[in-house]
Amino acid sequence: QKEVEQNSGPLSVPEGAIASLNCTYSDRGSQSFFWYRQYSGKSPELIMFIYSNGDKEDGRFTAQLNKASQYVSLLIRDSQPSDSATYLCASSYTGANSKLTFGKGITLSVRP
Amino acid sequence: SQTIHQWPATLVQPVGSPLSLECTVEGTSNPNLYWYRQAAGRGLQLLFYSVGIGQISSEVPQNLSASRPQDRQFILSSKKLLLSDSGFYLCAYTRSAYNEQFFGPGTRLTVL
Repeated sequence: QKEVEQNSGPLSVPEGAIASLNCTYSDRGSQSFFWYRQYSGKSPELIMFIYSNGDKEDGRFTAQLNKASQYVSLLIRDSQPSDSATYLCASSYTGANSKLTFGKGITLSVRP
Repeated sequence: SQTIHQWPATLVQPVGSPLSLECTVEGTSNPNLYWYRQAAGRGLQLLFYSVGIGQISSEVPQNLSASRPQDRQFILSSKKLLLSDSGFYLCAYTRSAYNEQFFGPGTRLTVL
């Protein structure tokens, strides 16, 4: 049974701080990893995906992948109130017709 | 660029009534298509996925069904809705071998 676990929330950080969101996965065969942001009442929006060990940066977001330890993290630098949302972690095999396994999400609140 | 549409945006239906939700994708051909349900305060549950016209895989036995009559059209149906069918229904598509999924705006269904 493939599982993706996200650390329990909610997470609250002050504006301007670094928010660190963590995720672990059980299936060592997973190859691609995704972070989605979901605002209340809206659909999930893909913000990062990573498939190589190490860091991947995009603006204020950095995704980190450690396949040996089976964890993925998302760092949000200079957190803004507009970053307040639920963040979903997901994993997948690479290749056509593979499905995503989603975690339950963690709610981030950035307080002004 | 690719775009995904869902309608209706919101729906209130009585128990026992039929359901038809539609999803269409523009700007890509032969996408994999997915239907998810997100119950209030809960994670994403994969309901159906399709890798081509007429090809439907069901993830969870239930009173829902799906069809793919055209390459970029995916329909979710029910003959008789249950109270437990209430939720946020999301359609998604993938466009590459890395399987990053892109979600439509969703349909919020309330069954009374």
